[in-house]
Amino acid sequence: AQSVAQPEDQVNVAEGNPLTVKCTYSVSGNPYLFWYVQYPNRGLQFLLKYITGDNLVKGSYGFEAEFNKSQTSFHLKKPSALVSDSALYFCAVRDEGEMIKAAGNKLTFGGGTRVLVKP
Amino acid sequence: DAGVIQSPRHEVTEMGQEVTLRCKPISGHDYLFWYRQTMMRGLELLIYFNNNVPIDDSGMPEDRFSAKMPNASFSTLKIQPSEPRDSAVYFCASSSPAKHTEAFFGQGTRLTVV
Repeated sequence: AQSVAQPEDQVNVAEGNPLTVKCTYSVSGNPYLFWYVQYPNRGLQFLLKYITGDNLVKGSYGFEAEFNKSQTSFHLKKPSALVSDSALYFCAVRDEGEMIKAAGNKLTFGGGTRVLVKP
Repeated sequence: DAGVIQSPRHEVTEMGQEVTLRCKPISGHDYLFWYRQTMMRGLELLIYFNNNVPIDDSGMPEDRFSAKMPNASFSTLKIQPSEPRDSAVYFCASSSPAKHTEAFFGQGTRLTVV
């Protein structure tokens, strides 16, 4: 079964400093990986995804993520955090193996990491 | 496209009452997902549909919960009878069939059962 772990409930960083939000995954086949952001009282917004190809993926608002197959990780990064980046971040995975087996399209989310960027 | 549309945005109801949440997916999307978000459990997948057919309902907590998708542009999630522990934010999301595509989320329905 596919699963995602976000080991940190909260990440605190000063504005202007680099931001990293960690994510590890478990799948039986090839992973399709996604990052979403949720602002207060809003739905989840898509940030970026890894499907295949270059391990470094660039997304919206200056975010990027690095796919590491050997470590089964997909950490989200931003070189210089802004106060407006304070939000809840979710990592998600879709397992190609499960999709083939069950003909499904299930997207499983991690528990979320709250990011607080202080001025 | 207006995106995924959910109604109502907020619902307050008394314990024991029936609650119906509604969702209109993005036109052309074949997959529709219902998620529940709580502080304790995070974001849980309740059920998802492909071409209006339920594919996986293993996340539905109990028989009080039911979901339908009578056509490609409308789905409902019903709780009958509702209980205080059902209080949560319920999200609907949709995606196209391509395996590499992301899901698009609605704004959610905040349900409070008193």
